[in-house]
Amino acid sequence: DAKTTQPNSMESNEEEPVHLPCNHSTISGTDYIHWYRQLPSQGPEYVIHGLTSNVNNRMASLAIAEDRKSSTLILHRATLRDAAVYYCIFVLSSNTGKLIFGQGTTLQVKP
Amino acid sequence: DTGVSQDPRHKITKRGQNVTFRCDPISEHNRLYWYRQTLGQGPEFLTYFQNEAQLEKSRLLSDRFSAERPKGSFSTLEIQRTEQGDSAMYLCASSLALAGVNIQYFGAGTRLSVL
Repeated sequence: DAKTTQPNSMESNEEEPVHLPCNHSTISGTDYIHWYRQLPSQGPEYVIHGLTSNVNNRMASLAIAEDRKSSTLILHRATLRDAAVYYCIFVLSSNTGKLIFGQGTTLQVKP
Repeated sequence: DTGVSQDPRHKITKRGQNVTFRCDPISEHNRLYWYRQTLGQGPEFLTYFQNEAQLEKSRLLSDRFSAERPKGSFSTLEIQRTEQGDSAMYLCASSLALAGVNIQYFGAGTRLSVL
């Protein structure tokens, strides 16, 4: 099964970097790692994805361990608007692209 | 707005009634997904369409649930004889599947309350 493990919650101060960890020990070589976030009362929102190399986009950075069994989502400067539930998901290359969400990490950002 | 839209946003119904939700995906997207989310949990996959073909259904999708995507455009999710346990947020997502990557764009969801 495409199971990931994340801390239930994390706190950060505004303007500081946040590192959100995720373990995905059963990932295979062709499965992508995706991160989504869900703000209160909204549907999930795509953040970033990667396969092997570290990735950067306007929202965040994704650091992938060399063995690909873990990854870290990095928000470089947290804002109050980044308070959300962050989901780490690995998408099986063999399936239909459906997302299997876990509990996610609830990020609180303090002013 | 060119995102995924869902209608209605909220639905309150009595147990035993039928309800239907609509999802309008992003226009060029060939894949459409339905998920269900209960309070405090992550979304759970229900079913998936590639164009008009329904290719996968979760075991969560009992025979009271039916989904369609005529002509590969909008989709409807119908729940017959609703039960209190059906109360949840129903989320729709669409994607344009490219080799190895399938980024999904979600609507705001339809919140169903069964009294």
